[in-house]
Amino acid sequence: GAVVSQHPSRVICKSGTSVKIECRSLDFQATTMFWYRQFPKQSLMLMATSNEGSKATYEQGVEKDKFLINHASLTLSTLTVTSAHPEDSSFYICSARPSRDRGFNEQFFGPGTRLTVL
Amino acid sequence: AQTVTQSQPEMSVQEAETVTLSCTYDTSESDYYLFWYKQPPSRQMILVIRQEAYKQQNATENRFSVNFQKAAKSFSLKISDSQLGDAAMYFCAFDRDDKIIFGKGTRLHILP
Repeated sequence: GAVVSQHPSRVICKSGTSVKIECRSLDFQATTMFWYRQFPKQSLMLMATSNEGSKATYEQGVEKDKFLINHASLTLSTLTVTSAHPEDSSFYICSARPSRDRGFNEQFFGPGTRLTVL
Repeated sequence: AQTVTQSQPEMSVQEAETVTLSCTYDTSESDYYLFWYKQPPSRQMILVIRQEAYKQQNATENRFSVNFQKAAKSFSLKISDSQLGDAAMYFCAFDRDDKIIFGKGTRLHILP
């Protein structure tokens, strides 16, 4: 099956620093990737939709200057949390949709990245 | 706006028994997809089953089946012969226009 990786799996950083999270589709090309945020014991909240070669589309209430998304290739999207603060601590999950049209929005999820901001 | 409601925050079932997780959704669209995802303690999201709205037949995947009631906007998941490995968070999800909207989830406990 399709595999999506995320790196790093865990990151601890100091307040004010920036953190980059990578999302890679390992065995397929993904025109579209999605970034979700999940607070403890809560559901996944879609943050943004990332399309290869174009600007990301952010959901309402998500600060685009805080969460920078780059989708430079068909297999890689990155999420950079800029000037991180403790309230940005969360579990970040990416997913990727294969470029081949299957007639439905089949998304494959990465294993997630736990960000802790001290 | 589309919403997905899971009214059962937690459920428990005896091993080998059957359990049904409820989900309702709200949309004005007629063509869409519905999913149930499983999130075990590893937090890896796993697709359990999907249903196309235009299909009247309920989807089935081994021990997992759904009861899709389009008019009622209801999409419940039945797990038969529950196993210890089924213990997880289960999210009902709605897809339209390339976005997946998740419900709040139901934590399922399997009692040995």
